[in-house]
Amino acid sequence: DQQVKQNSPSLSVQEGRISILNCDYTNSMFDYFLWYKKYPAEGPTFLISISSIKDKNEDGRFTVFLNKSAKHLSLHIVPSQPGDSAVYFCAANPGSGNTGKLIFGQGTTLQVKP
Amino acid sequence: GAGVSQSPSNKVTEKGKDVELRCDPISGHTALYWYRQSLGQGLEFLIYFQGNSAPDKSGLPSDRFSAERTGGSVSTLTIQRTQQEDSAVYLCASSLAGGFVSPLHFGNGTRLTVT
Repeated sequence: DQQVKQNSPSLSVQEGRISILNCDYTNSMFDYFLWYKKYPAEGPTFLISISSIKDKNEDGRFTVFLNKSAKHLSLHIVPSQPGDSAVYFCAANPGSGNTGKLIFGQGTTLQVKP
Repeated sequence: GAGVSQSPSNKVTEKGKDVELRCDPISGHTALYWYRQSLGQGLEFLIYFQGNSAPDKSGLPSDRFSAERTGGSVSTLTIQRTQQEDSAVYLCASSLAGGFVSPLHFGNGTRLTVT
């Protein structure tokens, strides 16, 4: 059972436009969410996070929105740049304590076209 | 270097052989994690070390998998009697204090192929 789902395997946007990556989760006990970005042949790198007590967190061009009632979060990148082309993973802390044992989605491959 | 270092970067082995994967975490990081990513899947938690505490092995898929962390630093993940379904990218991560608020810093992974 996939507790964190990224239903879009890929997304293509034009440089300068907005990229919206979506993530759904099943367990209302999840209390912290993170986005990681991964380039080919490299490990994932942390991008942005949000606590379940908030509904929005912004860091430069990146904003994460959390809708707890819908069990849905999204990552907005504005404006998108070709260097943003990568695989984006959504991850959740399962709420069983502060261990860092994250549950990851399958990833969405973002392509930003010049 | 300042990042998490993993070796080898690629490993091809025959079914039934044992393999060892190594991870050098960032100096000073007390928490160390192993994850794996199978083709088309997300990252799957395997095991977690925090300081001198007993490791959390709840994610290990079978008793063929084991890991140790010596001196609170370098970690080795061992897979005995490898099977084709073990083929994946094995990722090690470390964090300053453990827990989700301290971001995980991942290495580049070891791509394991079992033939």
